[in-house]
Amino acid sequence: GAVVSQHPSWVICKSGTSVKIECRSLDFQATTMFWYRQFPKQSLMLMATSNEGSKATYEQGVEKDKFLINHASLTLSTLTVTSAHPEDSSFYICSARDRRLPLGELFFGEGSRLTVL
Amino acid sequence: AQSVTQLDSQVPVFEEAPVELRCNYSSSVSVYLFWYVQYPNQGLQLLLKYLSGSTLVKGINGFEAEFNKSQTSFHLRKPSVHISDTAEYFCAVQGAGSYQLTFGKGTKLSVIP
Repeated sequence: GAVVSQHPSWVICKSGTSVKIECRSLDFQATTMFWYRQFPKQSLMLMATSNEGSKATYEQGVEKDKFLINHASLTLSTLTVTSAHPEDSSFYICSARDRRLPLGELFFGEGSRLTVL
Repeated sequence: AQSVTQLDSQVPVFEEAPVELRCNYSSSVSVYLFWYVQYPNQGLQLLLKYLSGSTLVKGINGFEAEFNKSQTSFHLRKPSVHISDTAEYFCAVQGAGSYQLTFGKGTKLSVIP
């Protein structure tokens, strides 16, 4: 089946620094990728929709200047958490749509746990 | 817009017993329905999906779900659970024509030996 890889799986950073998380579709081209945030023992909250070659669409309440999303190629989307603070600590998950498939299944990455000290 | 309600936040069940995890949804358009499983510190793995056709859907690891349009439900079942089924289970809905998923809050299944 289709594989989506996230890197890094774990990251610890100091408050005020920026962190980049990569989401790659390994064996398919993804015109659309989604970024989610998951707080402990809670569900996934959609942050933004990333479309290859265009600006990301952010959900209401998500700061686009805080969470920079770049989808420069059909296999890579990046999420950069800028000037990270402890409240940004969370589990970030991406998903991708295989452009070859006409219907709705999305493939999920393994997630990236961010801890901001 | 769509919404998903998972009625049980936690379900403890003894090993080899049957289990049902409940999911109800609401939508003004036709939908696709999914169940995902999440193990600790991991991403989501697709268990099964309903896109069209037969309302009884079989997935991986012995799970199945039935789409009931009149009751707007998509309950997940397994006739005999194993310890390895202990995980968080998420029901999700996708409106036809959109690739965005709306997730329920999740149900934590704990299998007791």
